[in-house]
Amino acid sequence: RKEVEQDPGPFNVPEGATVAFNCTYSNSASQSFFWYRQDCRKEPKLLMSVYSSGNEDGRFTAQLNRASQYISLLIRDSKLSDSATYLCVVNLGGWRYSTLTFGKGTMLLVSP
Amino acid sequence: DAGVTQSPTHLIKTRGQQVTLRCSPISGHKSVSWYQQVLGQGPQFIFQYYEKEERGRGNFPDRFSARQFPNYSSELNVNALLLGDSALYLCASSPGTGNSQPQHFGDGTRLSIL
Repeated sequence: RKEVEQDPGPFNVPEGATVAFNCTYSNSASQSFFWYRQDCRKEPKLLMSVYSSGNEDGRFTAQLNRASQYISLLIRDSKLSDSATYLCVVNLGGWRYSTLTFGKGTMLLVSP
Repeated sequence: DAGVTQSPTHLIKTRGQQVTLRCSPISGHKSVSWYQQVLGQGPQFIFQYYEKEERGRGNFPDRFSARQFPNYSSELNVNALLLGDSALYLCASSPGTGNSQPQHFGDGTRLSIL
């Protein structure tokens, strides 16, 4: 089983749609969780951290279920500029080190 | 403020050669991590350094090595290059090593092996 698994994608949605990405992780000792977005041939950029209580940043909502080892990202009112690959990221480290483990990514294509 | 800077941007090498990639972290960040991203995959962890000390190593062969300097910049060295080493090499920095601290990435070095 892969350490971090994401929906294979791509997701093709019209502008204004709501889209949800799912992610599962295998190591229950994982400490922290993030969503990054990566544009074509660019570096990953932090979208948001994911907290146990769930958190929201504008049109973006992230959820974490530690018992199910499941993370989600919801994007409401999709914009053309949201087109990118979304990477689910899990940090296995402790206080002394941090090791980010990335999923393969799910590509989102928002069309007019 | 400058973000993470990496050099060179692109590099072409042949099999068997050696390469050195460079990274300067965000000012004030003491931790640097290196990742390899091959086409169609997410980045894979290679090394983490903090205060010049290696704090983590991923599942890469001994041909890969790195170091961190007193100014917190870092170099990644790869010896005896193979075709499979062709990838985007990403450097990321964070203030420390705490697991809740997100890492910020540079633009990467795109390495092609012929």
